[in-house]
Amino acid sequence: KNEVEQSPQNLTAQEGEFITINCSYSVGISALHWLQQHPGGGIVSLFMLSSGKKKHGRLIATINIQEKHSSLHITASHPRDSAVYICAVLISSGSARQLTFGSGTQLTVLP
Amino acid sequence: NAGVTQTPKFQVLKTGQSMTLQCAQDMNHEYMSWYRQDPGMGLRLIHYSVGAGITDQGEVPNGYNVSRSTTEDFPLRLLSAAPSQTSVYFCASSPWAGQPQHFGDGTRLSIL
Repeated sequence: KNEVEQSPQNLTAQEGEFITINCSYSVGISALHWLQQHPGGGIVSLFMLSSGKKKHGRLIATINIQEKHSSLHITASHPRDSAVYICAVLISSGSARQLTFGSGTQLTVLP
Repeated sequence: NAGVTQTPKFQVLKTGQSMTLQCAQDMNHEYMSWYRQDPGMGLRLIHYSVGAGITDQGEVPNGYNVSRSTTEDFPLRLLSAAPSQTSVYFCASSPWAGQPQHFGDGTRLSIL
């Protein structure tokens, strides 16, 4: 079983809709990352959070450590938001700290 | 500021050939890592380095070698290419482990 599960795997929305992507994990973590992979393949980090909520523009990320769950919300979605959104958890083991990635959510926003 | 630069962008190899994927960063980051991305799977860590002279294995290290002689460079070597190594490879760096990473544009590698 993958330590990081994302849902849904694919999501199609109309422009302007509110979007939620979910991430659940099964192990104790130090932090959680959300990343965006553009259609051309480039990957950028959106958020790193270990508690509460962070907001950047139309993007909001939340995390519930007790429930081992995080959500990424996009308000007023736009076609340029179409991308793969990836959740990754930071697991610390002794002095080692490694990211384990979910398989991503493919988001398509239609005009 | 170039960020993380990967070369080449595309490569086709025959089974058994060896090659080196190059990765360089100009942000003075201590942490560098190599991932492979396969369809339907998340990014998987191949090798990583927490500083010059220090490397360690990730989740899928077999068939790959790395070295870190300088802070800037972190090459990935395929010792004897196999079709199972057909993938997209990403190099990433961050100030230290666990921080948000800067990714290169990726290398699309096909092994025939």
